[in-house]
Order: sequence, then structure tokens, then C-alpha cells
Amino acid sequence: DTAVSQTPKYLVTQMGNDKSIKCEQNLGHDTMYWYKQDSKKFLKIMFSYNNKELIINETVPNRFSPKSPDKAHLNLHINSLELGDSAVYFCASSQGQGGTYEQYFGPGTRLTVT
Amino acid sequence: GDSVTQMEGPVTLSEEAFLTINCTYTATGYPSLFWYVQYPGEGLQLLLKATKADDKGSNKGFEATYRKETTSFHLEKGSVQVSDSAVYFCALRAGAGSYQLTFGKGTKLSVIP
Repeated sequence: DTAVSQTPKYLVTQMGNDKSIKCEQNLGHDTMYWYKQDSKKFLKIMFSYNNKELIINETVPNRFSPKSPDKAHLNLHINSLELGDSAVYFCASSQGQGGTYEQYFGPGTRLTVT
Repeated sequence: GDSVTQMEGPVTLSEEAFLTINCTYTATGYPSLFWYVQYPGEGLQLLLKATKADDKGSNKGFEATYRKETTSFHLEKGSVQVSDSAVYFCALRAGAGSYQLTFGKGTKLSVIP
């Protein structure tokens, strides 16, 4: 019954590896997001997709590539991982851009690059 | 660009104390304002929101009033509990048609018995 789910919850990997984080929402929302939260808890938007179309693409290294196979899924693939990529990554979803516009967040994926 | 400034933490209070976490914003147009809460080890949850000037958002004993004249959205609670210990984020969405939330840096609250 989880509204926004992410896998894995924890990810420990070495520098230079490629990894993916998956996100799924069962709320019927049409917009999904990826955020990065650093060690000081600062949250920064990375990407957003609306109906599978990229609408927000902040200044993020091109080693990060989002993929949205359908409206319910938004995956994040990271190539050539670096130490500075260590953070907690949150997926979120919302219904469109109007109305109450509440974003629902997943539980986060803690990525540690060694 | 849009920005949100929150008071620096951490904030430590005794149970039943009064809480205020200050939040001010800079935005063009008429933003919607939000407070999110992040409990330890969890994702963010919407605590309350206000979509126009003078609106008051409230939930779980927390309140915040959208003050356009002072560009503020301060979070208050009259009597905090240990279970309120969390990180609180102020955020804004800049006007209709905007998907993006801009977050403040978060304020960690610890409530001690």
C-alpha cells in the first residue's frame, strides 16, 4: 500500500561503478521528481517528469540519467559514481501543476560511494 | 530566482515549550507555501500549506500564516512533544504552472522530556 516506493533503501558501492535506483508510485499521479539530500539535509531538485516528458533538468552532471518508462515509474541511473555522489536520493510524485499540488515523497535511498 | 530562508538549527526545546521556526521567502508572483516534516530515517511529509496571502495552514497543532507584507511563513506550535522531533522544511512553489518546489535548508528540532 506504499504510495511512493524506492529500491534499494541502501546502496553501497565503489567509485567508478554504475548503479540504478528505482521509483514507483501507485497514486495515479502524472508528475514525478528526483531530489538529492546532502549530509547537511539540504534538498535540491534534480529532475522532474510529467507524463513521461522531462520538464525539469537542473544543473546535474550528465552521469545522472533519469528514465521514465511510464507515468508510474521514474528510475535514476548513475554512471561512473564519485565520492561526492554520496547522499540520500528521494523520489516524489504529484498530480499536475494545479490544485493542491502536494508532493508525496518516497522513503529515500541512501547511496554511499567508497 | 526563488529562494527560501529558514532559521538555522538545531533547535532544542523541552516538552510543552512553544515552538517558532522562522521562514522567509523571495519569489515573483504569488507563490504557494508549504511546511514539510522529515522524521528520522523517513521521507518528507507535507505538514501544512497555504496558497494565498493571509491563509493559515494548520495540522497536528502546528500553524503557519502566509504573510505577503513580510514575505514570511513562520511555523508555530503551542506545546511541543517528544514525537515532534524531526527536521522541518519550508518550501515554496512559484505560482500556477510551476512544478518545482524550492526548499529551505531545513531546521532540526529536538524535544527533550
